[in-house]
Amino acid sequence: SQKIEQNSEALNIQEGKTATLTCNYTNYSPAYLQWYRQDPGRGPVFLLLIRENEKEKRKERLKVTFDTTLKQSLFHITASQPADSATYLCALDEATGSGYSTLTFGKGTMLLVSP
Amino acid sequence: DGGITQSPKYLFRKEGQNVTLSCEQNLNHDAMYWYRQDPGQGLRLIYYSQIVNDFQKGDIAEGYSVSREKKESFPLTVTSAQKNPTAFYLCASSRGRSEKLFFGSGTQLSVL
Repeated sequence: SQKIEQNSEALNIQEGKTATLTCNYTNYSPAYLQWYRQDPGRGPVFLLLIRENEKEKRKERLKVTFDTTLKQSLFHITASQPADSATYLCALDEATGSGYSTLTFGKGTMLLVSP
Repeated sequence: DGGITQSPKYLFRKEGQNVTLSCEQNLNHDAMYWYRQDPGQGLRLIYYSQIVNDFQKGDIAEGYSVSREKKESFPLTVTSAQKNPTAFYLCASSRGRSEKLFFGSGTQLSVL
């Protein structure tokens, strides 16, 4: 069966360090992968999209890698700040039978950045 | 401001009652989606619509119904057939396939 795995335990780091979150998947061949941030009681907010032919994508302090051989994406936040504390979700596209695709989300990893 | 609006923020359902969650977008997006989120769980797709007057079932459509009569609107009805409706419901839109999703602020549905 298809599965997306993100660390269920919260990641606690100190301000200024680099946070690294992992997204592993099985039985998917996604054309692209997306990362979202979700704060408590709010809807997710899009952060980055990376395609299967891209190894790495950067946006300000954020970096995403995508290894289709390992079936893994890593999400990095450099120089982390307490304001980065949130739950981070990865999502993979999944083809439907009608030629469309929808996003399937992992359960997310909570990041806690302490001052 | 362009965006996606969900209402109400909180909703309570009595047993045997149907309730409707509203979702409106002014982003001129073709595609719209409904997801359900339970505590500690990922988002699960209920229904999606690629274009007006067309919609498709997602992974957990049983006990739910939708309509897409206008491009801007995609209401979700939680019917009495949904036996475990308590959850956080999220509506989203996108320009189309392979595009990022824009989410609303969600509706928390609880059973009285």
